Amino acid sequence: DIVMTQSPDSLAVSLGERATINCKSSHSVLYSSNNKNSLTWYQQKPGQPPKLLIYWASTRESGVPDRFSGSGSGTDFTLTISSLQAEDVAVYYCQQYYSIPFTFGPGTKVHIK
Amino acid sequence: EVQLVESGGGLVEPGGSLRLSCTASGFTFSDAWMNWVRLAPGKGLEWIGRIKKNADGGTIDYAAPVRDRFTISRDDSKNTLYLQMNSLKNDDTAVYYCSTHEMARSTHWGQGTLVTVSS
Repeated sequence: DIVMTQSPDSLAVSLGERATINCKSSHSVLYSSNNKNSLTWYQQKPGQPPKLLIYWASTRESGVPDRFSGSGSGTDFTLTISSLQAEDVAVYYCQQYYSIPFTFGPGTKVHIK
Repeated sequence: EVQLVESGGGLVEPGGSLRLSCTASGFTFSDAWMNWVRLAPGKGLEWIGRIKKNADGGTIDYAAPVRDRFTISRDDSKNTLYLQMNSLKNDDTAVYYCSTHEMARSTHWGQGTLVTVSS
C-alpha cells in the first residue's frame, strides 16, 4: 500500500497570511501514461463531508477560490493557501489515486493564530 | 444538481450487521464509479472501497481492514449504492460517506451516515 504522510499535523496562521501543507507518498504517484500525478486535496469542516479542492496535484476544482493552489510531483506535494480566510479553518487531506487502496494522508488541521 | 443521500446508519452491537444505502440523483448513476469512505471519531478519512460501473465490469475493490466483512453493491434501476457490513467491530464506528469516483478524484459526496458499534 502507498503510505501518505502530511506535515505539519496542525498549523496556526494569521488571517491574510500564507498556509503551506506538505504531503508525501511512499511511492511515486506519477502516471507515465499521461505524465500526471494522481494526487488530490480535500478540505473538511466539522460536520460536513470532504470538499474537493485540487486534483492531478495542481488542477483547481471549479468554484474553488484561487487562493488555493497545489504543486509537486512524484512523491512530494504541497497545498498552499495564499491568504488565509476565516472560512478556511478546516482539516486538509491529501489522497493518492495511483493504486488501490486509495489512501489518505492523516490530515492537517488549519486554524487561526 | 448532484445529490447523494446516505441512510441506514445507527447503533449496532459488536458482531452485528448493518446495510447502508446511498441514493443518487442529478446524474446518470449507471455511468458512475462510486466510493465508500469513512471518518472515525478522532481519526482521519479512510477509503473503504470502490465499485466500477457495470459497463466497465462492475469490479469492486476493498481496503484490507474491511475486505472479508463488507460488501459493496449497486442497483442501477434504483440509483442506489449499498454497503453491507457484517461482523462489525468497535473500530468500525464512523461516519460513512458515499462519493462519486471520477478520474483521480471524488467530486461529489453525501452528507454521511453515522454507524456506532457498541454494546
